[in-house]
Amino acid sequence: ETGVTQSPTHLIKTRGQQVTLRCSSQSGHNTVSWYQQALGQGPQFIFQYYREEENGRGNFPPRFSGLQFPNYSSELNVNALELDDSALYLCASSLGLSTGSNTEAFFGQGTRLTVV
Amino acid sequence: GEDVEQSLFLSVREGDSSVINCTYTDSSSTYLYWYKQEPGAGLQLLTYIFSNMDMKQDQRLTVLLNKKDKHLSLRIADTQTGDSAIYFCAEKDDKIIFGKGTRLHILP
Repeated sequence: ETGVTQSPTHLIKTRGQQVTLRCSSQSGHNTVSWYQQALGQGPQFIFQYYREEENGRGNFPPRFSGLQFPNYSSELNVNALELDDSALYLCASSLGLSTGSNTEAFFGQGTRLTVV
Repeated sequence: GEDVEQSLFLSVREGDSSVINCTYTDSSSTYLYWYKQEPGAGLQLLTYIFSNMDMKQDQRLTVLLNKKDKHLSLRIADTQTGDSAIYFCAEKDDKIIFGKGTRLHILP
């Protein structure tokens, strides 16, 4: 158990809909990162939040957005869902910024999103 | 650009050593990681190595880093059935970049 919990565990949505995925960070961690893992692929970095501000973004369109709250829990929002958005979405929490330091990232179990 | 490559499959007999190889492109990576993912589970950090090291041993796990060739390997000694999983190599500078994963299959 990493202390990082994600909800829901599974979700089915229709193309064009919007979805919100949630992540509760490990206690005391102020940084959260979100990853998309398509079937048979490695996780792809979506973005990172540090103290409620976006701090780094991968190659994902603006319809992928996020929030980090004062208690450091986080949300990933995806608008106008496409079939290719079907994937396992992982969040990882850590203490401090990841740049240049070995701040271990603890991953949640993920939310499996299916878009039909 | 940043890229991490690793072979997709490896089959090993129980009790033998497993060696999973990885190459990466970002020479500014400060840390290199090996993660394990079991079916239906998230990612578990197995071990990591700082970029100025060339070897790290942790019980049954040995990580070798050849920084000149940008080559990383993970050796699992005395492979057990519980080691069956997907193993991801990853590099980190400002974000973690993962490879596609190597599926380790254990033969009886």
